[in-house]
Amino acid sequence: DTEVTQTPKHLVMGMTNKKSLKCEQHMGHRAMYWYKQKAKKPPELMFVYSYEKLSINESVPSRFSPECPNSSLLNLHLHALQPEDSALYLCASRQAHGDNTEAFFGQGTRLTVV
Amino acid sequence: EDQVTQSPEALRLQEGESSSLNCSYTVSGLRGLFWYRQDPGKGPEFLFTLYSAGEEKEKERLKATLTKKESFLHITAPKPEDSATYLCAVLSSYGGSQGNLIFGKGTKLSVKP
Repeated sequence: DTEVTQTPKHLVMGMTNKKSLKCEQHMGHRAMYWYKQKAKKPPELMFVYSYEKLSINESVPSRFSPECPNSSLLNLHLHALQPEDSALYLCASRQAHGDNTEAFFGQGTRLTVV
Repeated sequence: EDQVTQSPEALRLQEGESSSLNCSYTVSGLRGLFWYRQDPGKGPEFLFTLYSAGEEKEKERLKATLTKKESFLHITAPKPEDSATYLCAVLSSYGGSQGNLIFGKGTKLSVKP
């Protein structure tokens, strides 16, 4: 099983709302990622968690707040977003060590900020 | 600076017309090169991992190869269902043991019947 599950699939939120994106995997992967992808652009790294600890924050604005409550779950809390934050948000996971370094992606959450 | 460049940006083929996509990279401490397929509005779907120069992997009509500076994705006798954006990514040593996946801009492949 190489499935990464993201919910919700679509989200429309106002600029004053607070919402959360969720990501779950049961592959035993200990590295988990959030990416942001705008139309016709490649995925852009936001955060990396390693063994449930934040290891990379690519200078993401504080209105995006990641959380990794356990080894299977990754959340992205959203608050006071701007219309330019509308994008496809992708979660990925991979093994933290060993020979298999490929990352598996979820289907993404299509976020629209109005 | 770690960098991944894909060419061409877009490729239009007739069904059955074989071709290749290119991915050139500069990275310190390559820990893997990956090919993904992405359909519009969906997450990237993993295709191949390549670790060392000379390595080749195959899956149906796709074959990926790796040299010290570039990778090729060869598509043999493509079908319309192969139409998608193909992304190349490398895993670097940046960010400690977890590294960072650096993506190219992708090649949008269209296969006409």
